[in-house]
Amino acid sequence: GENVEQHPSTLSVQEGDSAVIKCTYSDSASNYFPWYKQELGKRPQLIIDIRSNVGEKKDQRIAVTLNKTAKHFSLHITETQPEDSAVYFCAGRGKLIFGQGTELSVKP
Amino acid sequence: DGGITQSPKYLFRKEGQNVTLSCEQNLNHDAMYWYRQDPGQGLRLIYYSQIVNDFQKGDIAEGYSVSREKKESFPLTVTSAQKNPTAFYLCASSVTSGPNEQFFGPGTRLTVL
Repeated sequence: GENVEQHPSTLSVQEGDSAVIKCTYSDSASNYFPWYKQELGKRPQLIIDIRSNVGEKKDQRIAVTLNKTAKHFSLHITETQPEDSAVYFCAGRGKLIFGQGTELSVKP
Repeated sequence: DGGITQSPKYLFRKEGQNVTLSCEQNLNHDAMYWYRQDPGQGLRLIYYSQIVNDFQKGDIAEGYSVSREKKESFPLTVTSAQKNPTAFYLCASSVTSGPNEQFFGPGTRLTVL
């Protein structure tokens, strides 16, 4: 069946370093690729999304890249800060399938 | 925080009992969703509704039921048929079921005693 694979499951970086999280999807019809951030004890919130007609989108320190041929999209966070520590989720099949989540820890 | 609320925040249930989780939104969104969140497994779709009086099963619908009688409300019932109901339940809504942002509620943590 359709699925979304997200890697890595955990990621630890030093403050100021970059972090990259990757998701692969199986549904060729997918045309919307969001990333959500969930801080401990809080609800997921959209941080950035991209549509299939665009290869890259940036918003300050975060960016998402999409490779439709290879069926993967990635979240890039530059100059990481301790407040970036959270669980990050990608989603596919519109928004009906989520990746397993990546727990990002930014060490000061 | 987005105008979508869930109640209660914590819920305890004895085995064999049905329990209903509330989800309300005042965003005038057509689409609503229920997800289950377990550690290390991300969010899994239970049911979704694209419009009032209509809903579809998600990937893990067994043991759950929903209704969508009003646009703003999408309650989830966890029945005694659900084998392992202890989990964190998240409700979400979006303008439509198409490619757009989902807004999540604060969640309900259900514990079966």
